Amino acid sequence: AQKVTQAQTEISVVEKEDVTLDCVYETRDTTYYLFWYKQPPSGELVFLIRRNSFDEQNEISGRYSWNFQKSTSSFNFTITASQVVDSAVYFCALRVNNAGNMLTFGGGTRLMVKP
Amino acid sequence: KAGVTQTPRYLIKTRGQQVTLSCSPISGHRSVSWYQQTPGQGLQFLFEYFSETQRNKGNFPGRFSGRQFSNSRSEMNVSTLELGDSALYLCASSLRLPNTGELFFGEGSRLTVL
Repeated sequence: AQKVTQAQTEISVVEKEDVTLDCVYETRDTTYYLFWYKQPPSGELVFLIRRNSFDEQNEISGRYSWNFQKSTSSFNFTITASQVVDSAVYFCALRVNNAGNMLTFGGGTRLMVKP
Repeated sequence: KAGVTQTPRYLIKTRGQQVTLSCSPISGHRSVSWYQQTPGQGLQFLFEYFSETQRNKGNFPGRFSGRQFSNSRSEMNVSTLELGDSALYLCASSLRLPNTGELFFGEGSRLTVL
């Protein structure tokens, strides 16, 4: 069985601070995909990034960066110079290769960025 | 292009009733999956469909069912509603199953059971 843990349930920062959201996953599969989604108050989950298990290269997209470390089964997400618009709930998710499109989600981290 | 559309957005039911939720995927997407989101259990996978066939099912009782039509639109039904069924029900679509890319989510149907 798969499991995703986001230990931080809520984080509050002041605008322009950097913030890292932690994600730890468990799976016995060797082929899997990791995702981050953002959920604004409107409810839909907005895709941010996908990473497969064979690609440990870190990625940067504007103010967002992701650090994937198989050795520690972690896929952490950093927002640099946070903005009020970053306030949302962020979910880390895992999909294994033999489970269709089924995603196993972490519990989510609510990020509040104060002006 | 239009995103994933879910209807209704909000609804209130009473215990024992049944409810049907609808999901129209992005044009060209053939796979639809459903998730239940509650404060206590978080986001949980319900089931997924491809080519009108249920391909995977989560750990939910038989009161939860779904189907997919030939145009890829999907419906899910919950019978004999319980208070614990109050949740945000999210639908997601993708081109294929399995899909190596991301799932595209709708805004959800928020069900309140009184």
